[in-house]
Amino acid sequence: DAGVTQSPTHLIKTRGQQVTLRCSPKSGHDTVSWYQQALGQGPQFIFQYYEEEERQRGNFPDRFSGHQFPNYSSELNVNALLLGDSALYLCASTQGNNQPQHFGDGTRLSIL
Amino acid sequence: GIQVEQSPPDLILQEGANSTLRCNFSDSVNNLQWFHQNPWGQLINLFYIPSGTKQNGRLSATTVATERYSLLYISSSQTTDSGVYFCAVERVLNAGNMLTFGGGTRLMVKP
Repeated sequence: DAGVTQSPTHLIKTRGQQVTLRCSPKSGHDTVSWYQQALGQGPQFIFQYYEEEERQRGNFPDRFSGHQFPNYSSELNVNALLLGDSALYLCASTQGNNQPQHFGDGTRLSIL
Repeated sequence: GIQVEQSPPDLILQEGANSTLRCNFSDSVNNLQWFHQNPWGQLINLFYIPSGTKQNGRLSATTVATERYSLLYISSSQTTDSGVYFCAVERVLNAGNMLTFGGGTRLMVKP
């Protein structure tokens, strides 16, 4: 039973570029959330997808966008990258409410 | 939004010692999770505990929802327990269920 998988594991970009991160949820899960974790801090909620629509969004600019596919996998897109976007990006999945969220191993994004 | 505070921020233990980590939150929540983030950045589920007490081996957790706090107990600590422990709370709003994390407790267990 595969858990939450994310790709790539590491990524290096330069300022102004665009990036796409990918996530496959745990088997049986239909809800995917994305979090950003800056160095030395706790993860911050970016947004959540359910039934291919953004259901909830945290305090992140429109440069951060996402998508969920019919197979429940998800992408996180970030445009016009800034140095401050350097972080560990975590994907979490769950099934419905009142269930634990399970996290992938993350994608480490470095902006030069 | 809801505030989540964890204490202590840093903790150094000798192998074999016991410890208690605390998580306070500012409003009522539907759910609470404890995570261990290892040095490689992996977030590992420890407990899903909206209320009551649970135990898993050397770890146990208690959440008192009415008083807005949760405790994580680590007994007979081992070097592999080192890392950052996060508490995260969930409020179901508008059909979404985002997690709000505390700042974490950084634990180092020395041999």
